[in-house]
Amino acid sequence: GQSLEQPSEVTAVEGAIVQINCTYQTSGFYGLSWYQQHDGGAPTFLSYNALDGLEETGRFSSFLSRSDSYGYLLLQELQMKDSASYFCAVRDHSNYQLIWGAGTKLIIKP
Amino acid sequence: ETGVTQTPRHLVMGMTNKKSLKCEQHLGHNAMYWYKQSAKKPLELMFVYNFKEQTENNSVPSRFSPECPNSSHLFLHLHTLQPEDSALYLCASSQESRGTGELFFGEGSRLTVL
Repeated sequence: GQSLEQPSEVTAVEGAIVQINCTYQTSGFYGLSWYQQHDGGAPTFLSYNALDGLEETGRFSSFLSRSDSYGYLLLQELQMKDSASYFCAVRDHSNYQLIWGAGTKLIIKP
Repeated sequence: ETGVTQTPRHLVMGMTNKKSLKCEQHLGHNAMYWYKQSAKKPLELMFVYNFKEQTENNSVPSRFSPECPNSSHLFLHLHTLQPEDSALYLCASSQESRGTGELFFGEGSRLTVL
C-alpha cells in the first residue's frame, strides 16, 4: 500500500532549528508537498519538491531525496507562531490525488 | 473575502438529523474537494469535483452526499450519521484536480454526532 511516515510530535526551543522528516512508500511519485495547520485553522501550503535537493523559502526549507523516498522540512529561527502541525503529502500515481501523512505537531518552548 | 469559506464552523447533530455543510471558493478554481480530518490520522479524501463533475468518490458511505452546483460552491449533505463520523470536515480547491498545484483549504466544519 501507499503510506507516509512522519513523527507525531517534535519539541524545540524558540530561535532554534528543527527538522521534520517524512518517508514515503508509493507506487509512483509526483513530488512531495508540505502543509502547515495551526490549531483551529486551515491547512496552508508551504512547499513542493519534485526534484532532489533543497528548496528554500525564507526561514523554511524543504529537502527531497527520491532515491531514499525521504524528505524533510527544515524550520530555522523558530518563532512561537511556528507552533502548528506539519503534514507531508505525495500524489497518488493512479488518480493524482494527495496521500497525506498523519502530521507532526511542533511544540515550541520559550 | 477569504479564499475558501466553510459554514457552519461547528455543527452538533443527532443520528437521525439531516444537515448540510457548505463551501464556497473565491479563487476561480475548477476543482473542489471534501476531506475528513480526525485527530492523529492522515487527511482522508472523500470526494473530488472537477468542472462540476464528480471525479473521485473514495468509498464514502451513502449517508454523505455531495453536491456541486457550480465550480465555486460545494455542499456535503449529511443524513443518519454515526458517532464515528464526528470529525473536522475540510473543503479545498485547486486550479484543477489532476495537476501538481497546491490545495487551498477552508477552516473546516467541526461536526459532532451524538
